[in-house]
Amino acid sequence: DTAVSQTPKYLVTQMGNDKSIKCEQNLGHDTMYWYKQDSKKFLKIMFSYNNKELIINETVPNRFSPKSPDKAHLNLHINSLELGDSAVYFCASSQIGWGIEQFFGPGTRLTVL
Amino acid sequence: DQQVKQNSPSLSVQEGRISILNCDYTNSMFDYFLWYKKYPAEGPTFLISISSIKDKNEDGRFTVFLNKSAKHLSLHIVPSQPGDSAVYFCAASETGSSNTGKLIFGQGTTLQVKP
Repeated sequence: DTAVSQTPKYLVTQMGNDKSIKCEQNLGHDTMYWYKQDSKKFLKIMFSYNNKELIINETVPNRFSPKSPDKAHLNLHINSLELGDSAVYFCASSQIGWGIEQFFGPGTRLTVL
Repeated sequence: DQQVKQNSPSLSVQEGRISILNCDYTNSMFDYFLWYKKYPAEGPTFLISISSIKDKNEDGRFTVFLNKSAKHLSLHIVPSQPGDSAVYFCAASETGSSNTGKLIFGQGTTLQVKP
């Protein structure tokens, strides 16, 4: 009965590779988010989709491309990985209008070598 | 430009005593505030929230206080328990007609409750 799930939990890859992280929520929420937690532990929003429509797009390199095939899924694809992309990436979901609380997945720790 | 700040990176308290975690913000348009708790290798979990129309919200051992004039909020945990040891994040949001659900997080405070 996992609410927000992410795969994989750990991802180790070489610089220059392309990788994807998947996120799924079974809460029936209409909005999903991607956050990045860097080495300094700051948790910063990257993207948000509401009913498959992009509504938040922060200053993120265009090597990062979110994709939402349906409102229960929000995947993050990263091209040409760089060392600075190493971080923990969290997916979250909420139902805007029901409340502001967001429910987070367990995170994906990405290490770029 | 950090709009939400938690100036204490860590806090250590004795079991049974009160834990007070602080958070300051700069954006006067923020009207909803939340506290999240995070254990290692897990995602943040929602703890408690407060709307700007209130100055206090209580849920069991957890109470959040909001001082709008000072742009300051605090989370009180009483009594503190060893299981409360975690990183606590303060977050703020600007709701309204263009509500996107965007949360701005502080950098977190690590709470250690000693038995």
